Amino acid sequence: QKEVEQNSGPLSVPEGAIASLNCTYSDRVSQSFFWYRQYSGKSPELIMSIYSNGDKEDGRFTAQLNKASQYVSLLIRDSQPSDSATYLCAAASGGYQKVTFGTGTKLQVIP
Amino acid sequence: EAQVTQNPRYLITVTGKKLTVTCSQNMNHEYMSWYRQDPGLGLRQIYYSMNVEVTDKGDVPEGYKVSRKEKRNFPLILESPSPNQTSLYFCASSPRDPSNSPLHFGNGTRLTVT
Repeated sequence: QKEVEQNSGPLSVPEGAIASLNCTYSDRVSQSFFWYRQYSGKSPELIMSIYSNGDKEDGRFTAQLNKASQYVSLLIRDSQPSDSATYLCAAASGGYQKVTFGTGTKLQVIP
Repeated sequence: EAQVTQNPRYLITVTGKKLTVTCSQNMNHEYMSWYRQDPGLGLRQIYYSMNVEVTDKGDVPEGYKVSRKEKRNFPLILESPSPNQTSLYFCASSPRDPSNSPLHFGNGTRLTVT
């Protein structure tokens, strides 16, 4: 079983809609979670980090963490064609210095 | 400009010919790591280093070596490359333990081993 799981997609949403990306993790000691965006052929870039249960908002992006359910999500409001990319979920455990990535969800925003 | 620099960007080589992919960061980051990215498998960690002269294996270390003689540099060495090491490689760094600070990625090295 992969430690961090994501639906590979593609997830298609119309422009202006809310895109919801989900991620589950199996290691209960994971305490830090990150969402990275990766355009085709480019390197991943950080979108959001979240460390405690609940919601964290940054502009059009909201990350949600539920440690009891071992579930992390990323909501993108008012989706734009420029949001079309692969979104990588990552989990890290304090003191272990190891970051584990999911395989990513490809998002397509249709104009 | 703060960045992680990898070289080369593209490399085509033959089986068994030793190669080194360089990685350098100018942000005085403590932590550095190498990942490979393959379709359907995502980013998998090869090796990481929390400090000079301290390196540890990630999930897929077989066939790779690293060294951390200076804080800024973390080269990836393939002593005898094989076709199954054809992949897209990323170097990444972080100011401290990556459990509480995000990774900064280099631009990637696309390696083809024939």
